Amino acid sequence: DGGITQSPKYLFRKEGQNVTLSCEQNLNHDAMYWYRQDPGQGLRLIYYSQIVNDFQKGDIAEGYSVSREKKESFPLTVTSAQKNPTAFYLCASSQVENTEAFFGQGTRLTVV
Amino acid sequence: DAKTTQPPSMDCAEGRAANLPCNHSTISGNEYVYWYRQIHSQGPQYIIHGLKNNETNEMASLIITEDRKSSTLILPHATLRDTAVYYCIVRVARVGDMRFGAGTRLTVKP
Repeated sequence: DGGITQSPKYLFRKEGQNVTLSCEQNLNHDAMYWYRQDPGQGLRLIYYSQIVNDFQKGDIAEGYSVSREKKESFPLTVTSAQKNPTAFYLCASSQVENTEAFFGQGTRLTVV
Repeated sequence: DAKTTQPPSMDCAEGRAANLPCNHSTISGNEYVYWYRQIHSQGPQYIIHGLKNNETNEMASLIITEDRKSSTLILPHATLRDTAVYYCIVRVARVGDMRFGAGTRLTVKP
């Protein structure tokens, strides 16, 4: 079945370590997105990419990095520079044309 | 991008219509209105979108005012499973960014 997959569902890391969250889609979508969600809050855009080898910062890019080497993959690295990395992270994909976006089930990251 | 304003919370009785408002007074002519919902701890789910005409699908109806400055999402017969946070966003066609606000937390009560 076509879809968007995030892994792992839960992730624990020690403070000061970089961690990479995986996002894979087999929908042949051009655009991919990363969001952060804190408890009781809405989604905040971290990075997005409209095409392979190109990406743009969202509203809260500091302390995060991404790559888009393949159309189907858009990994997010949470670096040690991110002051408060514990959060729920959501990945999405869509066609760049005006169509619906599909979301993964999210990765809950806890940094201790 | 235009921003949206939604009430933080609403209640609805089961079986009744749920009408969720959204204000987007600074919307541009090429921006579409999208609605998504997020059930607790899951990824958001697309519901419906439109440009200026009213739209209906199997999940909901979208009513956009003639001046396009506001819209209403209608769930015709709300069920307990419709309890979720509903997000209204505006998005320019052919542009990749997609920004969400705080949404409306809809609680459907028996």
